[in-house]
Amino acid sequence: ILNVEQSPQSLHVQEGDSTNFTCSFPSSNFYALHWYRWETAKSPKALFVMTLNGDEKKKGRISATLNTKEGYSYLYIKGSQPEDSATYLCAFIGNWDSNSGYALNFGKGTSLLVTP
Amino acid sequence: DAGVTQSPTHLIKTRGQQVTLRCSPISGHKSVSWYQQVLGQGPQFIFQYYEKEERGRGNFPDRFSARQFPNYSSELNVNALLLGDSALYLCASSLDAGLRGYTFGSGTRLTVV
Repeated sequence: ILNVEQSPQSLHVQEGDSTNFTCSFPSSNFYALHWYRWETAKSPKALFVMTLNGDEKKKGRISATLNTKEGYSYLYIKGSQPEDSATYLCAFIGNWDSNSGYALNFGKGTSLLVTP
Repeated sequence: DAGVTQSPTHLIKTRGQQVTLRCSPISGHKSVSWYQQVLGQGPQFIFQYYEKEERGRGNFPDRFSARQFPNYSSELNVNALLLGDSALYLCASSLDAGLRGYTFGSGTRLTVV
């Protein structure tokens, strides 16, 4: 079982605030790191797939960085809006092995609530 | 284009019974994975299938089994249900091994009483 940790567990911010979350993962046998956004009663939606050390990805007001050598990724949301309220999950994929293949190893997620 | 569809959306079973959950991937996706999510935890990997072959298996007992059909749809079977099997079961499909991300279904909520 691979240890993927996310912090904080939950976050409550006001509309317009910027925020960031952390995902830490094993620094060895890295293959890819995914970020997903999961709204209540819906399916998780892929935000970013990151594969290279130093990767920076951006989609609108959301961006992510990746450090595979030290085993962490940051997700940033600039100017949070109420519609950003969701659980944000990161998932680590290690190099292929015969048992787990390319399984997603999820953290517990960060629950974000943005109030007007 | 339809997303990943799962059926049923909810079901209630009694301890000791067997259950079959179904998943249809996005057209063109050859890989299907299954995950179990219990409250307060991240989804846990159960199985991955690619081109109808099992490519990965998580740390779940042999009561859990799955298969992938020629049309790439998949079934997850759980025998001898326990109360602890109550969870949201998610199916995800992808074109490859995850370098382009997975598309998830909305899940099947299983309650074992």
